[in-house]
Amino acid sequence: EVQLVESGGGLVQPGGSLRLSCVASGFTLSDHFMDWVRQAPGKGLEWVGRSRHKASGYITEFAASVKGRFTISRDESNNSLDLQMDSLKTEDTAVYYCGRAAFLHGLDVWGQGTTVTVS
Amino acid sequence: DIVVTQSPDSLAVSLGERATINCKSSQSVLYSSNNKNLLAWYQQKPGQPPKLLIYWASTRESGVPDRFSGSGSGTDFTLTISSLQAEDVALYYCQQYYSTPLTFGGGTKVEIK
Repeated sequence: EVQLVESGGGLVQPGGSLRLSCVASGFTLSDHFMDWVRQAPGKGLEWVGRSRHKASGYITEFAASVKGRFTISRDESNNSLDLQMDSLKTEDTAVYYCGRAAFLHGLDVWGQGTTVTVS
Repeated sequence: DIVVTQSPDSLAVSLGERATINCKSSQSVLYSSNNKNLLAWYQQKPGQPPKLLIYWASTRESGVPDRFSGSGSGTDFTLTISSLQAEDVALYYCQQYYSTPLTFGGGTKVEIK
């Protein structure tokens, strides 16, 4: 079964750091572009960032709101993707989802999400 | 950045009736290499992650009931639920994936009248 499972969310003070993890099963993460999307309480969906696939050198891109504070890395041995979040702000409070960006297809697989609270 | 605007914010439709949601992008999302519009529709139920319904503006994802259909091209798109069922109560989002930053519409809440 194709699946994504996020972990690592929690409560952190403003200015602090948190590292989220997204583990894939049923497919090889390195073959795919992967995105992080967040949803603040009662709000809509906001794209956070992307890690391109291995063939593209795992190039990363970020939303302006998190650029310079967030980074994305991969661990091929664990088939996982991490989102390192530094200098956290209260407005980063959200449920964070990782999603598989199928080629020209949209986000076809989503994790259940992990909650980050900055307070 | 491509701005994506959805309307209405919410709508209430009787069971078995048609629901229509509109989505407009600030620039064309037509990908010339395959002549496909890089626009997707997602359904999100409370406490759940979004679920991909439609990609390429009009292609249903595997397993999605055929009462869901997408149409449109360029900058104007529509999601139609032809005969609303109780299980269709949810938030619906459109998203352009033509360029980063990927952008979502603000969402439309569909309820039963």
